[in-house]
Amino acid sequence: DAKTTQPPSMDCAEGRAANLPCNHSTISGNEYVYWYRQIHSQGPQYIIHGLKNNETNEMASLIITEDRKSSTLILPHATLRDTAVYYCIVRPWGSGNTPLVFGKGTRLSVIA
Amino acid sequence: KAGVTQTPRYLIKTRGQQVTLSCSPISGHRSVSWYQQTPGQGLQFLFEYFSETQRNKGNFPGRFSGRQFSNSRSEMNVSTLELGDSALYLCASSVAQGGTAGELFFGEGSRLTVL
Repeated sequence: DAKTTQPPSMDCAEGRAANLPCNHSTISGNEYVYWYRQIHSQGPQYIIHGLKNNETNEMASLIITEDRKSSTLILPHATLRDTAVYYCIVRPWGSGNTPLVFGKGTRLSVIA
Repeated sequence: KAGVTQTPRYLIKTRGQQVTLSCSPISGHRSVSWYQQTPGQGLQFLFEYFSETQRNKGNFPGRFSGRQFSNSRSEMNVSTLELGDSALYLCASSVAQGGTAGELFFGEGSRLTVL
């Protein structure tokens, strides 16, 4: 079972920041937070991951609370192409024999 | 750099038949994982192969099987198809076993319809 809780859906106006929350209150010390997204009819796409520090790449920023029990994925300037289901996953780092467990994710709709 | 390639993209089978799906990982990637996606159950892990060996298996019946070849290409097979096997089957590759860095690269999937 997924160890994360996400809202089922969210809307965001095009050009505004999209803030997608994720609760992982039972996260262990060696578990990382990963974010993937799945655009309709495509395979999931890796976005970003982090342990306890905030992370940023060309796609998004990941903010993890100090107690690591929740995180927020931020898409700084959402476009229509960001409409997708976003999955938050926790998984131990370097655990080659632990598969990614996807929950139901958050369906983000970016509105023009 | 070519991405993960899955064939066929779409196929229709009838109950009781079997099906084989193919996955060519990104060049240099040695791990291949398979997932099943249905509207009701979401994305579920099937199995993972690394260096031609199955390293991990999800909670699916024995009708679901797979293999990996020396060139890292992988196939999965579903025998005695049931209506409930209708799904999008996704293949993902990574450099190391299980995507040690957490980054899996997914193909676009094979959509199987069982009539």
